[in-house]
Amino acid sequence: AQSVTQLDSQVPVFEEAPVELRCNYSSSVSVYLFWYVQYPNQGLQLLLKYLSGSTLVKGINGFEAEFNKSQTSFHLRKPSVHISDTAEYFCAVRTNTGNQFYFGTGTSLTVIP
Amino acid sequence: KAGVTQTPRYLIKTRGQQVTLSCSPISGHRSVSWYQQTPGQGLQFLFEYFSETQRNKGNFPGRFSGRQFSNSRSEMNVSTLELGDSALYLCASSSDGRAYNEQFFGPGTRLTVL
Repeated sequence: AQSVTQLDSQVPVFEEAPVELRCNYSSSVSVYLFWYVQYPNQGLQLLLKYLSGSTLVKGINGFEAEFNKSQTSFHLRKPSVHISDTAEYFCAVRTNTGNQFYFGTGTSLTVIP
Repeated sequence: KAGVTQTPRYLIKTRGQQVTLSCSPISGHRSVSWYQQTPGQGLQFLFEYFSETQRNKGNFPGRFSGRQFSNSRSEMNVSTLELGDSALYLCASSSDGRAYNEQFFGPGTRLTVL
């Protein structure tokens, strides 16, 4: 079975400061890794995904994530956050044979002016 | 290209009633998945349909059912509503449902059960 743990439920950060949202996963098979963002009253939007290859993945809105197989982690980073980054962020995994996402419980990022 | 649309956006029902939610995927997409999002349980997979067939199912009671039509539009039905069914129901579509392909999410239907 697969599971995803997002270690921080809430992360406050000042505008223009860097941020890291942590994600660890557990799986007995190879997985694909994803980060989604959800703005209030909206659905989920894909930020980035790791399928294979380079462990550093760049996404939209200046976000990037690094896949670490030995630590089974896929942490999301941004060097300088904006007010508009305030949202809920979800880490998710899918197996290479599966159809469903396994989501973490989400991290609420609040950017403080 | 139009995105995933879900109707209605908001719904209020009472316990014991049934409800049907609708999802129209992106044009050309054949896979539609449904998720339930609640503050306590987070995002949980309900089921996935591909070419009118249920291909995968999550761990939900039989009160939750769905179907997909030949134009790939999908409906989800919940019978005998319970208070705990109050949630945001998200629909996602992808071209073929393969694990490496992106799923595009709709804005959701917020169901409130009184």
